[in-house]
Amino acid sequence: DAGVIQSPRHEVTEMGQEVTLRCKPISGHDYLFWYRQTMMRGLELLIYFNNNVPIDDSGMPEDRFSAKMPNASFSTLKIQPSEPRDSAVYFCASTERRHREAFFGQGTRLTVV
Amino acid sequence: KNEVEQSPQNLTAQEGEFITINCSYSVGISALHWLQQHPGGGIVSLFMLSSGKKKHGRLIATINIQEKHSSLHITASHPRDSAVYICAVQGGSEKLVFGKGTKLTVNP
Repeated sequence: DAGVIQSPRHEVTEMGQEVTLRCKPISGHDYLFWYRQTMMRGLELLIYFNNNVPIDDSGMPEDRFSAKMPNASFSTLKIQPSEPRDSAVYFCASTERRHREAFFGQGTRLTVV
Repeated sequence: KNEVEQSPQNLTAQEGEFITINCSYSVGISALHWLQQHPGGGIVSLFMLSSGKKKHGRLIATINIQEKHSSLHITASHPRDSAVYICAVQGGSEKLVFGKGTKLTVNP
């Protein structure tokens, strides 16, 4: 398997624009996670899914953020409208089942100007 | 106070030295993870442990549940070990809570 695949790797957008980040987990993995990493706050969990169902979205900062997992092989994280404070690296990760090691994608570096 | 505290924040070593990075946490956990983040940004899981000790190559991770403390050791350090090492704890759910990381630089 190619691992967890994220796209795009880099995104630069203007404040107010909609941004969509994409993730393809490892085939057969039941859990998918979205994390955000900033210098100030480090890594934080935004939301995670189990078998395509959102389980914990308590880390989603506000209503501007939404995440979907329409099937086992694809998830999106959308920010609308984007703000400069959303600038960060967003990681997607997947695990095979409960309490297993996580496999991370390469991340999407988002810059909102 | 953060749930997960790592020390030191920064560490510089000479090639060949024995390295120890510490992680303390304040909540009950089901597992603790050690992650490595390379300068390019990619994150790799090194260990997941809930008790005792695990070893992989030159890396050793230990955990003391009673003291709520874990250590990551690197023997015979090498410049390619230069990275940020992140400790994360997992409670009853799949949610991970992360430390701020330890930046390790190994000089040749």
